[in-house]
Amino acid sequence: EVQLVQSGAEVKKPGESLTISCKGSGYSFTNSWIGWVRQMPGKGLEWMGIIYPGDSDTRYSPSFQGQVTISADKSISTAYLQWSSLRASDTAMYFCARRGATMEFFDYWGQGTLVTVSS
Amino acid sequence: DIQLTQSPPFLSASVGDRVTITCRASRGISSYLAWYQQKPGKAPKLLIYAASTLHSGVPSRFSGSGSGTEFTLTISSLQPEDFATYYCQQHASVPLTFGGGTKVEIK
Repeated sequence: EVQLVQSGAEVKKPGESLTISCKGSGYSFTNSWIGWVRQMPGKGLEWMGIIYPGDSDTRYSPSFQGQVTISADKSISTAYLQWSSLRASDTAMYFCARRGATMEFFDYWGQGTLVTVSS
Repeated sequence: DIQLTQSPPFLSASVGDRVTITCRASRGISSYLAWYQQKPGKAPKLLIYAASTLHSGVPSRFSGSGSGTEFTLTISSLQPEDFATYYCQQHASVPLTFGGGTKVEIK
């Protein structure tokens, strides 16, 4: 069974750094792209970027380029989303999701990590 | 970027109704469109990809059609568990983009 399990909710202050994680199981993590999607409170879905754990090839949405860092450690089947300096506007639910085998849709999703940034 | 416009943004319907949601792309995307269902506090679930291919385990009352710039998601007979928000997503080109969502509520 394909599973993506994300790390727990975080409460941070503006300016702090943060890394959240997404651990895959039940499939070949190394050979499947993993994407990250943001959902701000009461809003829709926004694609942030995607990584291929096999060689760490990473693509970012222009809206998020330079704002976050996506990485992966294939040895432990885990992808990461990192901020160096959080802002209040980063408050959102963040989902990881596995890309389909041959096309750029997402067939399995993590449960989401709620990030709250508040002073 | 390819913009996706969903209509209607809200829809009230009764159990057993046939429901149709439309997604329009700002330029042609062939059949590279997916549909997702999201319930409050939960992750989205893939329903359909490549415009009309049903994802494994998705009930057959869901169907998708369209190509180019206009697409539809149809629920043939609305069930209580189908009350949710539905999103389209184009998978033709990066950056991937989603529609604004359609919330299906109980009438």
